[in-house]
Amino acid sequence: NAGVMQNPRHLVRRRGQEARLRCSPMKGHSHVYWYRQLPEEGLKFMVYLQKENIIDESGMPKERFSAEFPKEGPSILRIQQVVRGDSAAYFCASSPGGSEETQYFGPGTRLLVL
Amino acid sequence: GENVEQHPSTLSVQEGDSAVIKCTYSDSASNYFPWYKQELGKRPQLIIDIRSNVGEKKDQRIAVTLNKTAKHFSLHITETQPEDSAVYFCAASIGAIHFGNEKLTFGTGTRLTIIP
Repeated sequence: NAGVMQNPRHLVRRRGQEARLRCSPMKGHSHVYWYRQLPEEGLKFMVYLQKENIIDESGMPKERFSAEFPKEGPSILRIQQVVRGDSAAYFCASSPGGSEETQYFGPGTRLLVL
Repeated sequence: GENVEQHPSTLSVQEGDSAVIKCTYSDSASNYFPWYKQELGKRPQLIIDIRSNVGEKKDQRIAVTLNKTAKHFSLHITETQPEDSAVYFCAASIGAIHFGNEKLTFGTGTRLTIIP
């Protein structure tokens, strides 16, 4: 039973480019969460999605950031026109849903903006 | 919104001794409190969690206590070993009891170092 998968593991972008981060939840999990971790800091919630629905995007910056979890395929976090301040580790977590709220994390994507 | 504070930020413990990390939360509606261990460059790994209907939970050398009245919860690691060295994060959420409120609010982390 594979765990949460994320790719790429490392991503380098120049300022102004787009970054696209992918997350495949654990088998049987229908809830996906994205968190951002700045160096030497804790994890900050960004967005919570189910298939084809954004449930809570209260932690996501209003501009340049978007997320989706389509009916088929992985969840995608998209950052347009990246800036140096976007450099961070982006973690995806998944949970089964229903009454089970335990979240399991993927290995993260480390984004570096030059 | 929820605010979680975690202390201490760093903790050094002699191998074999116990380590205690404490967290407080602000939202009395929070019901679910997990603890994660993160080694350098790795993913956060769930080590134990507790829900508000119990006051204590234990799993081998790890235990968590919860005081809902005071809004604080603690992680206890006994008989510490070098492999316990990592950053530990507490978190809180309202949980699945209310759909749409499952997001986790994390503390700022505790860097635990076990001295051989």
